[in-house]
Amino acid sequence: EAGVTQFPSHSVIEKGQTVTLRCDPISGHDNLYWYRRVMGKEIKFLLHFVKESKQDESGMPNNRFLAERTGGTYSTLKVQPAELEDSGVYFCASSQGIQETQYFGPGTRLLVL
Amino acid sequence: AQSVAQPEDQVNVAEGNPLTVKCTYSVSGNPYLFWYVQYPNRGLQFLLKYITGDNLVKGSYGFEAEFNKSQTSFHLKKPSALVSDSALYFCAVRKQAAGNKLTFGGGTRVLVKP
Repeated sequence: EAGVTQFPSHSVIEKGQTVTLRCDPISGHDNLYWYRRVMGKEIKFLLHFVKESKQDESGMPNNRFLAERTGGTYSTLKVQPAELEDSGVYFCASSQGIQETQYFGPGTRLLVL
Repeated sequence: AQSVAQPEDQVNVAEGNPLTVKCTYSVSGNPYLFWYVQYPNRGLQFLLKYITGDNLVKGSYGFEAEFNKSQTSFHLKKPSALVSDSALYFCAVRKQAAGNKLTFGGGTRVLVKP
């Protein structure tokens, strides 16, 4: 069974540009989560989808971040426009049920110059 | 609010010696507790979790963790460390029956020397 996959693995962009990160959850997992680790600090929750609906987006830092999960399969996280402080590692995770273990992808390393 | 503390940024241990990575948590109500590991250039990998029941939880690669409610701790342990255990370890918590948002500690880097 394939695990959670994320694309791209790395992205280097300039301040003010737009970047879109993609996450493909484990097949059959209705729950999809985005987290990020900035500047080597704690991994912070961003948001949680149940199928295509946003269950909890309390961790989204501001309106420059837009997450979508059309059709309840893969998800995208767009940062527009990117700022220097957005640099970090963005992790995606999925779980079968809302109470089940979350399995993480390899992350996308974002560097904003 | 819930929080996790991993008091050690780095733990150094000789191969074959016992390994302990400390974690304390704060959460109202009963916690679900997790340990994840991140190997170099890899994603977070699930090691083990405590939900309920036996306070000693066994996980992957010979790791185990002990839930101590009175001390609000969930320390990760391995009786005999391997060089390949060198990685970044994260403890995480969430409240039971309160959504599925994980709160992570800052991580502890483990270096096992041959």
